[in-house]
Amino acid sequence: SQQGEEDPQALSIQEGENATMNCSYKTSINNLQWYRQNSGRGLVHLILIRSNEREKHSGRLRVTLDTSKKSSSLLITASRAADTASYFCATDAPGTYKYIFGTGTRLKVLA
Amino acid sequence: DGGITQSPKYLFRKEGQNVTLSCEQNLNHDAMYWYRQDPGQGLRLIYYSQIVNDFQKGDIAEGYSVSREKKESFPLTVTSAQKNPTAFYLCASSIRTDQETQYFGPGTRLLVL
Repeated sequence: SQQGEEDPQALSIQEGENATMNCSYKTSINNLQWYRQNSGRGLVHLILIRSNEREKHSGRLRVTLDTSKKSSSLLITASRAADTASYFCATDAPGTYKYIFGTGTRLKVLA
Repeated sequence: DGGITQSPKYLFRKEGQNVTLSCEQNLNHDAMYWYRQDPGQGLRLIYYSQIVNDFQKGDIAEGYSVSREKKESFPLTVTSAQKNPTAFYLCASSIRTDQETQYFGPGTRLLVL
């Protein structure tokens, strides 16, 4: 079944550095979303990018989408300790009402 | 204060027991979802509902049941038929089911005694 796969599985960086995580998927999509999950909590929506968009920004977040490669990347600039969380991509499955979530990237930002 | 709430935060189930997880939203959203998350894993869809009195099976519906009698409420029952219920359960809602941002509750952690 269609699934977003995040890469890397885990990432550890120093505060102030940039963090980049990637998501690959298998079939065509209408849109792709990124979510953040703090340990033991619910998911928080970060950004949605549609299939006809190539790049989107929100504060310190930059998301790119390459539909030819079926991949997306999330860049967090000037990371902070509070950015420590798991990040998931979710892709829609056209013709269904489902989103498929990947297994996530665990980001740790060291102060 | 608008949002989506889940209760309880922790729930313990005995062998052979059915338990019900609560999910309530006051966002006036039509669509609601239940997901299961296992340690280190992504989310898997259990059930979803597009509108009141309608719901559809997701990818892992066996051993679970739901109801949608009110727009704001979408309770999930974990039945005794679910042999491995220990997981983190997340409820979400969206304005509609098609291509919309999902808003998540804080989750319920279910443990088996």
